[in-house]
Amino acid sequence: GAVVSQHPSWVICKSGTSVKIECRSLDFQATTMFWYRQFPKQSLMLMATSNEGSKATYEQGVEKDKFLINHASLTLSTLTVTSAHPEDSSFYICSARGLSRDSSYNEQFFGPGTRLTVL
Amino acid sequence: QKEVEQNSGPLSVPEGAIASLNCTYSDRVSQSFFWYRQYSGKSPELIMSIYSNGDKEDGRFTAQLNKASQYVSLLIRDSQPSDSATYLCAVRSGNTGKLIFGQGTTLQVKP
Repeated sequence: GAVVSQHPSWVICKSGTSVKIECRSLDFQATTMFWYRQFPKQSLMLMATSNEGSKATYEQGVEKDKFLINHASLTLSTLTVTSAHPEDSSFYICSARGLSRDSSYNEQFFGPGTRLTVL
Repeated sequence: QKEVEQNSGPLSVPEGAIASLNCTYSDRVSQSFFWYRQYSGKSPELIMSIYSNGDKEDGRFTAQLNKASQYVSLLIRDSQPSDSATYLCAVRSGNTGKLIFGQGTTLQVKP
């Protein structure tokens, strides 16, 4: 498989602050990156899709001004949760799609996730 | 009808048995199919991908795809307690290219 890193792994912040989460593909170039959110015992929810150098495409119901996504390079995407509130507390997981060493197909690999707690 | 359907389980099997996980999908133009394993509190991990009809084996895992029946399955041989997790079936949409996930099947392997 391929390695996707995410930083930080967990963060606790006060209500009203902004939090930035980084996602990196370490050993492959990601043509596309995805951001998901997952609440306890629920399924993954896709928030947005981003391609390098392009604006992110947000899923219906996801506020683009609240969840800012920057896809600066083929190996780095960031998600900034602006003015976070307790209801934004969740598990945020990035995912990168690209060709890994083991496959001739584009596959999608997940980062380890960031657990955000907003007090 | 959901786009990707899985039985949520839990599916309980004894250690050493074969666990069989099933998934059906509705998008006839889909060409890429994946199984992810997700441990509680962790992110999904890709364990199998399959693109053509038939079986694909990797260690104790075998993925089976039948596009005519719109069915994909995952067999885990010699199940171990460490296999206990939620298994997510994912289908890449033929239209959008996005992964569509099933709800996941919880597998419990009892020692």
